[in-house]
Amino acid sequence: SQTIHQWPATLVQPVGSPLSLECTVEGTSNPNLYWYRQAAGRGLQLLFYSVGIGQISSEVPQNLSASRPQDRQFILSSKKLLLSDSGFYLCAWSRSSRGFGPGTRLTVL
Amino acid sequence: QKEVEQNSGPLSVPEGAIASLNCTYSDRGSQSFFWYRQYSGKSPELIMSIYSNGDKEDGRFTAQLNKASQYVSLLIRDSQPSDSATYLCAVERGYGGSQGNLIFGKGTKLSVKP
Repeated sequence: SQTIHQWPATLVQPVGSPLSLECTVEGTSNPNLYWYRQAAGRGLQLLFYSVGIGQISSEVPQNLSASRPQDRQFILSSKKLLLSDSGFYLCAWSRSSRGFGPGTRLTVL
Repeated sequence: QKEVEQNSGPLSVPEGAIASLNCTYSDRGSQSFFWYRQYSGKSPELIMSIYSNGDKEDGRFTAQLNKASQYVSLLIRDSQPSDSATYLCAVERGYGGSQGNLIFGKGTKLSVKP
């Protein structure tokens, strides 16, 4: 069965600091991968998606970026965090099925 | 018009009753529809998917789809307190380069009272 791992589970970072969140998928190959953000009181917002290694599409302009260095690895990054970057970050996959990872709760102070 | 709309609730039902959750969407090209359940502080988990007009049943859950009306719903029979959660409707985009991506509604919070 397929499993998604995300780390860290929680993160508290100061404004202006860098960010790196990692997601890995097990049990499938060549999945589509997605980064979503869920801010307090708001719905799930699609940030990035990837259909293969090195292929990244951005849904919304922002100070975040994503990379896919390996088939089952998806990374979300920022050079300088903003207060508005706080939220619950979720990695998701799709192929024969769909699922979410456990998420990373990010607080920017 | 928002792409996926849900009543935010909260929807409160007594234990054993039927809970009815509704969702409308704007993309007429969408072919795939999903319901996720999200407990507080946790990530969403997929509970139902539906692709054709009509009803699809899985245990206590029934998903209903009407593409002409751009409407999808989820019925939960014999509701239990453990069903208390936020239910997210998701619609797969049916156009352009982002085909296949899921767009979510903001969710309906369900509370089942013992």
